Amino acid sequence: GENVEQHPSTLSVQEGDSAVIKCTYSDSASNYFPWYKQELGKRPQLIIDIRSNVGEKKDQRIAVTLNKTAKHFSLHITETQPEDSAVYFCAASMNSGGSNYKLTFGKGTLLTVNP
Amino acid sequence: KAGVTQTPRYLIKTRGQQVTLSCSPISGHRSVSWYQQTPGQGLQFLFEYFSETQRNKGNFPGRFSGRQFSNSRSEMNVSTLELGDSALYLCASSYGNNNEQFFGPGTRLTVL
Repeated sequence: GENVEQHPSTLSVQEGDSAVIKCTYSDSASNYFPWYKQELGKRPQLIIDIRSNVGEKKDQRIAVTLNKTAKHFSLHITETQPEDSAVYFCAASMNSGGSNYKLTFGKGTLLTVNP
Repeated sequence: KAGVTQTPRYLIKTRGQQVTLSCSPISGHRSVSWYQQTPGQGLQFLFEYFSETQRNKGNFPGRFSGRQFSNSRSEMNVSTLELGDSALYLCASSYGNNNEQFFGPGTRLTVL
């Protein structure tokens, strides 16, 4: 089955700096890669996703890049703010013919943005 | 639209007991997935239901089961509870034709 590795497990940055979180996946058939943010005691929330027919996607201060050949994808957060502090999860799944295949998650990255 | 809801939010059980958790998806969503979240293992997929049929199953023992009703509401059941079943159980719903999943607040299960 699919295996997703996520690095680093913890990341501490100064407010205003950029943060990068990297994930690798094992199943070349995976074609959907979402990123979730989970604040302490709250539910995971989708912040951005990318499909395998796209190499990069951006939404304001966050962006995701995908390298299908190397089977890795990354989350980039620019101009970090204290409210970006949370655990970030990457995930991978295969969607085919409208079926919603299971999401396999990385172990998460605890991002701390210091004021 | 109301979000995904889960009941109960907190539950304390003892070893050997069984438990049933409930999930109400976003109106119109037909797919419901269940995940177990623990500090050591992270988020692990349990199973997914679509139109009352289980489409996918994760690597959990048969003590973990689920079902989905005609109104898309879903329940999961854990029988013969073990200490290691203590976790946050999250459900997520999606429309079904794409993978964007919306999570509920979770049920925190503690097994003593």
